[in-house]
Amino acid sequence: EVVLTQSPGTLSLSPGESATLSCWASQSVRDNHLAWYQQKPGQAPRLLIYGASSRATGIPDRFSGSGSGTDFTLTISRLEPEDSAMYYCQHYANSPRTFGQGTKVEIK
Amino acid sequence: QVQLVESGGGVVQPGRSLRLSCAASGFTFSRYGMHWVRQAPGKGLEWVAVTSFDGENRFYAESVKGRVTISRDNTKRILYLQMNSLRDDDTGVYYCAKESSGWYGYFDYWGQGTQVTVSS
Repeated sequence: EVVLTQSPGTLSLSPGESATLSCWASQSVRDNHLAWYQQKPGQAPRLLIYGASSRATGIPDRFSGSGSGTDFTLTISRLEPEDSAMYYCQHYANSPRTFGQGTKVEIK
Repeated sequence: QVQLVESGGGVVQPGRSLRLSCAASGFTFSRYGMHWVRQAPGKGLEWVAVTSFDGENRFYAESVKGRVTISRDNTKRILYLQMNSLRDDDTGVYYCAKESSGWYGYFDYWGQGTQVTVSS
């Protein structure tokens, strides 16, 4: 089983700043089958990034993903108040399709 | 547009059973893998189970293996999750999610979830 560890647990930043979220895998993720999701309170998760670096349809270019193998990063540039949410990484290389424990992004 | 609508949640006593449903529309249901993902109160996302596009391949999280069965009816465009021997820690919101491909894809669409509460 691939264990995903996200860091930091919480990020508190001001509008206009950049957020860097990390996701480490316990073993190499085949073909960089790594996705990022955003979840706001009371809502279902929403796909942001797939294939480690490809933005999903309708996602602003302020969101970017990078990384390969075991180290992955989600960067949110020019933070806006609406970016306040939980962010989860997930691999889809095999089963079980595990999620990281999440990073909470707070906008001051 | 793609729509996934879960139903079947509710309050159930420990040890009892529940069957969740997810009605799909807006895409060719029979071509895509489908998943169940749950979220305990105040906790993160936990992947539960997957069925391949044709229902031939199914995998489960260790936490539910032996108690849960995922299935699908491609004619009716419905995904199911049969949950037996329910425990307190099965409480949470259960989401169905569509895979981007027939197998090993990311989750491109999610339903709004159905609440399951296991309590005596």
